[in-house]
Amino acid sequence: DAGITQSPRHKVTETGTPVTLRCHQTENHRYMYWYRQDPGHGLRLIHYSYGVKDTDKGEVSDGYSVSRSKTEDFLLTLESATSSQTSVYFCAISADMNTGELFFGEGSRLTVL
Amino acid sequence: AQSVTQPDIHITVSEGASLELRCNYSYGATPYLFWYVQSPGQGLQLLLKYFSGDTLVQGIKGFEAEFKRSQSSFNLRKPSVHWSDAAEYFCAVGRSNDYKLSFGAGTTVTVRA
Repeated sequence: DAGITQSPRHKVTETGTPVTLRCHQTENHRYMYWYRQDPGHGLRLIHYSYGVKDTDKGEVSDGYSVSRSKTEDFLLTLESATSSQTSVYFCAISADMNTGELFFGEGSRLTVL
Repeated sequence: AQSVTQPDIHITVSEGASLELRCNYSYGATPYLFWYVQSPGQGLQLLLKYFSGDTLVQGIKGFEAEFKRSQSSFNLRKPSVHWSDAAEYFCAVGRSNDYKLSFGAGTTVTVRA
């Protein structure tokens, strides 16, 4: 199994509070991704990174920011959480997009009350 | 932008019966195509992928998929399902030299005894 750790795995928070989710990898893979999973929508890309300090937006990036200061860590921040951000968040990594394979973490379930 | 449609939200199949999950994509050039499986409470695992060449690809756990360019489809099949195949299945599309995959909404498979 790919070495991907997401933390926290479960979090309940209140509307308006900041939240940071962490993804840590031990594979030294270049590419890292944050997806959210919602019923009826599958997985939607929030942000991704193609190297240290190199990030870009995905299809549902509003309300989210990311940072990658080290190869192994990719942080997802909700500056002011809203109920619409209640979701399961998955981190994924990839060594080379020409192979196409993503390795996923186990997910972080976030509930915003 | 590429997109993926999985027409079936939920499929119920008897153990030992065959299974086919449908996937249609929208993309102008030759896509990279993937099927992932997600067991309850877990992240996603790659079943198989198509980049080029033989349009019938074999994957893990006895699954196969066929790329049909004329129908813009990449359907997943298994000749005889096992109770352990109960899961959610996602089709995804990517392209060469891109960093991102787009996922379908998923098909939930229930296996009855």
